[in-house]
Parts: sequence; C-alpha cells; structure tokens
Amino acid sequence: AQSVTQLDSQVPVFEEAPVELRCNYSSSVSVYLFWYVQYPNQGLQLLLKYLSGSTLVKGINGFEAEFNKSQTSFHLRKPSVHISDTAEYFCAVIRANDYKLSFGAGTTVTVRA
Amino acid sequence: DAGVIQSPRHEVTEMGQEVTLRCKPISGHNSLFWYRQTMMRGLELLIYFNNNVPIDDSGMPEDRFSAKMPNASFSTLKIQPSEPRDSAVYFCASSPIAGGKDTQYFGPGTRLTVL
Repeated sequence: AQSVTQLDSQVPVFEEAPVELRCNYSSSVSVYLFWYVQYPNQGLQLLLKYLSGSTLVKGINGFEAEFNKSQTSFHLRKPSVHISDTAEYFCAVIRANDYKLSFGAGTTVTVRA
Repeated sequence: DAGVIQSPRHEVTEMGQEVTLRCKPISGHNSLFWYRQTMMRGLELLIYFNNNVPIDDSGMPEDRFSAKMPNASFSTLKIQPSEPRDSAVYFCASSPIAGGKDTQYFGPGTRLTVL
C-alpha cells in the first residue's frame, strides 16, 4: 500500500517570501511523484513531476521540488511567491507497478501583501 | 486543444433524482479517470478506463454509481438515485499513456449538489 502525507494543511505567507510545502510518502516499490495546483473553482493543473533522472525537478511558475529517496520526501519550494500563487497544492504518488494516483490531503497556500 | 471538457459545470438536484455527468477527454488520450473531491475525503479515484474499457471500478461508492465510456471521446458518470451525501465536485481526467504514469489532465469539474 502507499500513502501520501502533506504535513501542513494551511500555509500563510507574505508576498515575495519563500515557501516550502512538505510531502512524504510511503511505498515498498519505486514511485513516480507529482505536484498539482488547484486554483479556486478550477480543476487540478500539473506543477511538476518526477519520473526518473535528476532528483531536482523544476516546474512551472518558478516552483521546484526535490526527490529524496532515503527520506521518502518530495518537498515543493518557491523562492519568492506572488499573490497569484494563492491556491491549494496537492502532492500525488503512483507506484511504478500500479496505475492509481494517490493524492495527499492538500496544502492551502494563502499569499498576503 | 480545448483540454478535458466536462458538463454540466454545476448541477443541483433533489434526492432520488438521476444525475448524469459528462466528460470529453483530450483527443488521443487513452486513459480516463473519474475522481470525486470532498472536504472530508479529499480526492478519491472512482473509476479508471483504458482504451474505453473499465480497468478498476473499486472506488465506485456503491451500486447507485455507474460509469460508461462508449467511445474514445466520451464518458459518463451516472448516479441513480442520488443522495445528499453524493454532493461533491466530480473531476474527469485523461492521460496519454496507459495507467496514468505521467501527467493527468483534469477537467474543470462538475459541482453536484443534492438537496
């Protein structure tokens, strides 16, 4: 079985400050990892993904994440946030021998001026 | 491409009525997923189709829920009869490869309210 834990349900942050959203997973086999963003009243949109290769992954809108296999983590970071980054962020994991994408509970990021 | 298209965007119905949600995946994508999102349970996978064939429907809550994919460009999720606890946002997603081991492209969702 696999599970995805997003350690923070709410993250308030000031504009132009850095942000880190934490994600840990548990799996006995190799995994593929994703971060999705959901803006209010919209569907989910892919921010970035790790399938293989370099453990540092860069995505859209200045976000990046680092896959740490030993710590089973895939934390999302952005060095300087904008008001428009206010949204809910979901970490998701799929096992290499499976097809089910498991989502974390989500982290709501609120960016204040 | 227009992306994944879902209709209706909002549906309000009364308990006991039949509800049909529709999805048009991105052309050329052969995997299709239906998800339900609620505050209490987050995002749950309801059913997964590959090449129009249902592969896993273990997430479908009960017999009141059914899903079909008659062709590569259309899928429906039906609830009959509907109950207030079915109120949620239902998302359809498609992926270009089998099993969704790559980006899943989500539609805008259908917000269902059952009174």
